[in-house]
Amino acid sequence: KQEVTQIPAALSVPEGENLVLNCSFTDSAIYNLQWFRQDPGKGLTSLLLIQSSQREQTSGRLNASLDKSSGRSTLYIAASQPGDSATYLCAASNQAGTALIFGKGTTLSVSS
Amino acid sequence: NAGVMQNPRHLVRRRGQEARLRCSPMKGHSHVYWYRQLPEEGLKFMVYLQKENIIDESGMPKERFSAEFPKEGPSILRIQQVVRGDSAAYFCASSPPILSSADTQYFGPGTRLTVL
Repeated sequence: KQEVTQIPAALSVPEGENLVLNCSFTDSAIYNLQWFRQDPGKGLTSLLLIQSSQREQTSGRLNASLDKSSGRSTLYIAASQPGDSATYLCAASNQAGTALIFGKGTTLSVSS
Repeated sequence: NAGVMQNPRHLVRRRGQEARLRCSPMKGHSHVYWYRQLPEEGLKFMVYLQKENIIDESGMPKERFSAEFPKEGPSILRIQQVVRGDSAAYFCASSPPILSSADTQYFGPGTRLTVL
């Protein structure tokens, strides 16, 4: 049974810092690995999707990597801004691609 | 192009009542997924449906919960005889008709159910 763990649960940084969020998963047979952002009381916004055959994806200040052999993914945020404050969720797709298994998230707070 | 729509956004029910949550997928999407987010917990997959078919309901509680996605109209998640433990945010997501590993699921804003 796939389990997804995110560390740390919460993170506070000053504006401008580069930071890394960690995600680990127990079953390497995944369809893809996704990172989402969730703002309080809101839905989820997809940030990056890494297909199982890929190693990383980049979008603006965000870079996500995937290492299936070790069961790890990282989300790197460069030059953090207060607007980046949110909860970041990692999700592994089951092998059929039909269900996402989520971690509990990392709540990021960026102070100005 | 409107995103995934869910209504109501907030729903209050007393114990023993029924809750009906609605989800309209993005235009052109025919796959719908329901997830539940309990307080202090991560999102948990509940059910995956295509038009008129339940494909995977491995995450659905065995009793009181049901889901449908009729040929016409929105997908419905129905909770009968609600209990306080059903209080949670329920999210719907949709995806295109032909899935590839490059396809994400698009999430709605959620329905926050409170059981008194």
